[in-house]
Amino acid sequence: EAGVVQSPRYKIIEKKQPVAFWCNPISGHNTLYWYRQNLGQGPELLIRYENEEAVDDSQLPKDRFSAERLKGVDSTLKIQPAELGDSAVYLCASSADRGADTQYFGPGTRLTVL
Amino acid sequence: GNSVTQMEGPVTLSEEAFLTINCTYTATGYPSLFWYVQYPGEGLQLLLKATKADDKGSNKGFEATYRKETTSFHLEKGSVQVSDSAVYFCALNTGNQFYFGTGTSLTVIP
Repeated sequence: EAGVVQSPRYKIIEKKQPVAFWCNPISGHNTLYWYRQNLGQGPELLIRYENEEAVDDSQLPKDRFSAERLKGVDSTLKIQPAELGDSAVYLCASSADRGADTQYFGPGTRLTVL
Repeated sequence: GNSVTQMEGPVTLSEEAFLTINCTYTATGYPSLFWYVQYPGEGLQLLLKATKADDKGSNKGFEATYRKETTSFHLEKGSVQVSDSAVYFCALNTGNQFYFGTGTSLTVIP
C-alpha cells in the first residue's frame, strides 16, 4: 500500500514569492493533517480536514496561508507571500478517520525562504 | 491544557548501550500515547503506541509502558545499534488532536 505522498520534497524561494505544497493521503483515509515542523522542534498542527471540510484551522495564519482539499482526497497548502520565518518542513499526515488513534506521515517538504 | 515533555538531547551512546528517553505528559481524559521516529530527511514513522494505562507498546526492540500514575511513557531499548540514530518524538492523541514533544536526537557510535 502506498504511503502519504508529498511534493515537492524541497523548495527554495525568495521572500514575498508564493509557494504551494501538494499532498496525496493514503487511499481511504478521510482525515488529513498539515503540520509545520521548525528546526529542532516537533510538528505543530496547521489544519485538519475531515473529508473536504476543514474542521480545525485555528493555528493556520490565515493572512498568508490557505489550504484546500477538493473532493476529499488530495490537498494543497499555499503560502502567499512567503516570509523568512516560514522556512520549515511542512508535513502532511493522514488517518483512517477522526477517531483513529494513529496517523501516517509523508516525507515532508523542506521550504527555504531567502 | 494538553502537552508532552521530552528529555532534551542530544543523546550519544555507544553501540549495544542501554537507551532511555523520558517522556511525560499532561492531558485531560485518557489519551493514546505514541513514539514516532524520524530518520534524516524523512517524515515521522510510527514506532510504537499504547492506548490505555499499563499497556506496553513494543517494536524493533523498543518498549514503552503507559504509566498513568506517573503520567509517563518512557522509551527504552536494551541494546542500541548504529541504525537507531534518529530523532524520537513522544506524542499523545486526545481523540481530537495530536500533541508532539520537541524530539530527542539520538546518535549511536560504533
